[in-house]
Amino acid sequence: DTEVTQTPKHLVMGMTNKKSLKCEQHMGHRAMYWYKQKAKKPPELMFVYSYEKLSINESVPSRFSPECPNSSLLNLHLHALQPEDSALYLCASSQEGSGQGIADTQYFGPGTRLTVL
Amino acid sequence: DAKTTQPPSMDCAEGRAANLPCNHSTISGNEYVYWYRQIHSQGPQYIIHGLKNNETNEMASLIITEDRKSSTLILPHATLRDTAVYYCIVRVAHPSGNTPLVFGKGTRLSVIA
Repeated sequence: DTEVTQTPKHLVMGMTNKKSLKCEQHMGHRAMYWYKQKAKKPPELMFVYSYEKLSINESVPSRFSPECPNSSLLNLHLHALQPEDSALYLCASSQEGSGQGIADTQYFGPGTRLTVL
Repeated sequence: DAKTTQPPSMDCAEGRAANLPCNHSTISGNEYVYWYRQIHSQGPQYIIHGLKNNETNEMASLIITEDRKSSTLILPHATLRDTAVYYCIVRVAHPSGNTPLVFGKGTRLSVIA
């Protein structure tokens, strides 16, 4: 089973709202990722958690706040977003997340389509 | 930044083999080549990966040149459902020690009936 689930599938929020995106995997993976994808563009890395600790933050604005409550769950808390933050938000997981020379396949969820009004 | 170069688009007739090229001339000896595809508005789907040897699975074959500077993904009998953006990715080490996937622009493959 290589399933990563994301909820909700779609989310519409105003600029003053607070919302959260959720991601879950039960593959025993210890690395989890958030990506953002704008229309007709490739996915862009936002955050990486490795063994429940934040290891990469790609200079993401503080209105995006990640959280990894345990090794199976990854949240992305959203606050005071802008319309330009509308995008597909993708979660992924992999076994280890680190180590060159190691095959560490990332598996992606279906994404959450976010619209900020 | 992505370490790969792919053609922006390709067409393939249904039932024929689709050969998608990728250049990765600066690849290091222990960096893997990964292929993913993304069908419209879905999450990227893992296809195959390789280091030095050619690889085959139920979805595709991966041919890596001996000098490892380029590779080709082969879909042996393309169907309309294979229409997607195909990403060739070389996993490189981030200063943190992690090796997340960094996506380039990919190749938009259109399978035509």
